[in-house]
Amino acid sequence: RKEVEQDPGPFNVPEGATVAFNCTYSNSASQSFFWYRQDCRKEPKLLMSVYSSGNEDGRFTAQLNRASQYISLLIRDSKLSDSATYLCVVSLRSYQLTFGKGTKLSVIP
Amino acid sequence: DAMVIQNPRYQVTQFGKPVTLSCSQTLNHNVMYWYQQKSSQAPKLLFHYYDKDFNNEADTPDNFQSRRPNTSFCFLDIRSPGLGDAAMYLCATSNLQGNGYTFGSGTRLTVV
Repeated sequence: RKEVEQDPGPFNVPEGATVAFNCTYSNSASQSFFWYRQDCRKEPKLLMSVYSSGNEDGRFTAQLNRASQYISLLIRDSKLSDSATYLCVVSLRSYQLTFGKGTKLSVIP
Repeated sequence: DAMVIQNPRYQVTQFGKPVTLSCSQTLNHNVMYWYQQKSSQAPKLLFHYYDKDFNNEADTPDNFQSRRPNTSFCFLDIRSPGLGDAAMYLCATSNLQGNGYTFGSGTRLTVV
C-alpha cells in the first residue's frame, strides 16, 4: 500500500462548482498533514495545514479523520485560478514530508 | 525577501556527463532537502541535511551525491546522469522542528 494515496483525477469542473479531494495515508503514527498546491512546472506551495478539528481558509476547507487515516480538501465556488495539482502531504517525523501524487484540477469557464 | 534560490532553472546535460545543481537560502534554516519529481509523480525525497548531518534515503541511487559546505548552500551532484534522471529537482529548507518548509523554484534537468 502506498504511503499517501489520492484520487488520480483529473477533475474538470465549471467555474463556481464545489469540488472535493480525498487522500488516505498508511502510517497511523503520522503527525502532521498538509495540502500543497502545485502549478504546472512550478514548485509546490503550502495551501493549508490540516487539523483534527477541521479548518477553513476562505473557500477552502480541510478535514482530518485520524481513525480512518483520511484527509479531505473542499473547494467552494471554484475559480479559474484554482486550476492546479493538489498534493496531499503527510509528515511522520517533524521535518520530513511524504507527498501523494497529486490530483489535477481544471476549472472550466 | 528571504527565500530559497535554485540555479539554473533549466539544465541540459549529456548522458554520462557529471552535473551539479545548486541551492542557496537566506532563511537561515538548519535543514535542507533535495527532492526529485518526475512528470505526474510525487516529489521523492533523495536526501537531507540536518545541520551538517547528511541523511540519505535508502532507495536513493549512489549516482546522486550531495554537499553542504555551509548553512546557506547545498549542492546536488549527479555523477553519471542517465535518461531516467531527467526530472525536476526541488530544493527545500525548514527549521529543526519542520516549520517554515519552503521550496525553491526547482531545476528542470534534461539528459540528452
